[in-house]
Amino acid sequence: EVQLVESGGGLAQPGRSLRLSCAASGFTFQDYAMHWVRQVPGKGLEWVSGISWNSGDIVYADSVKGRFTISRDNAKNSVYLQMNSLRVEDTAVYFCAKTPHSIVAAGTRFDYWGQGTLVTVSS
Amino acid sequence: QSVLTQPPSASATPGQRVTISCFGGNSNIGSNTVNWYQQVPGTAPKLLIFGNFQRPSGVPDRFSGSRSGTSASLAISGLQSEDEADYYCATWDDSLNGPVFGGGTKLTVL
Repeated sequence: EVQLVESGGGLAQPGRSLRLSCAASGFTFQDYAMHWVRQVPGKGLEWVSGISWNSGDIVYADSVKGRFTISRDNAKNSVYLQMNSLRVEDTAVYFCAKTPHSIVAAGTRFDYWGQGTLVTVSS
Repeated sequence: QSVLTQPPSASATPGQRVTISCFGGNSNIGSNTVNWYQQVPGTAPKLLIFGNFQRPSGVPDRFSGSRSGTSASLAISGLQSEDEADYYCATWDDSLNGPVFGGGTKLTVL
């Protein structure tokens, strides 16, 4: 059974940092691209970042470019999102999502999602 | 403001058919396949339709998808109370070099 479990969310002050983790199991993690998608409570979905199977291709939404860094450790079956210079508007539930493809640009078919972790940015 | 435009709400009675539209442009829907997600509030999104019209295993054939030009549609026939949820379209945008989502449509089963 595929499982994605996010952790690392919480309360942070504007300008500070948080690191989210997503632990994967139930599939050959190293073969697939992974993404982060966020959702402001009560609002719609917003794609944040994606990383290819071998970390060779990484893309970011303009809203987080230069502040967030996605990475993965295939030996630990995990993907991470380092969030720096946090802003109030980064407050959201952050989901990690698996794709059935190895590259990021293969599309938006997110076949499995984690349950999400809430990040609150407030002073 | 989402790149893909969906109606904010839709409603129908049990047993009826409802259609949700998703409008985009040449750099997104016009060039790439569309996927649809169902999200019950408080839970993670679930892949409902991929590749414009294909259903993952376990998704009832009451759900169907289509794409024409720069728009796509999700149709739900034989509506059931359990279909009450938020629905999102998504595709890749060549200009933005990343995935884009529609703003979501809240479906109410009356």
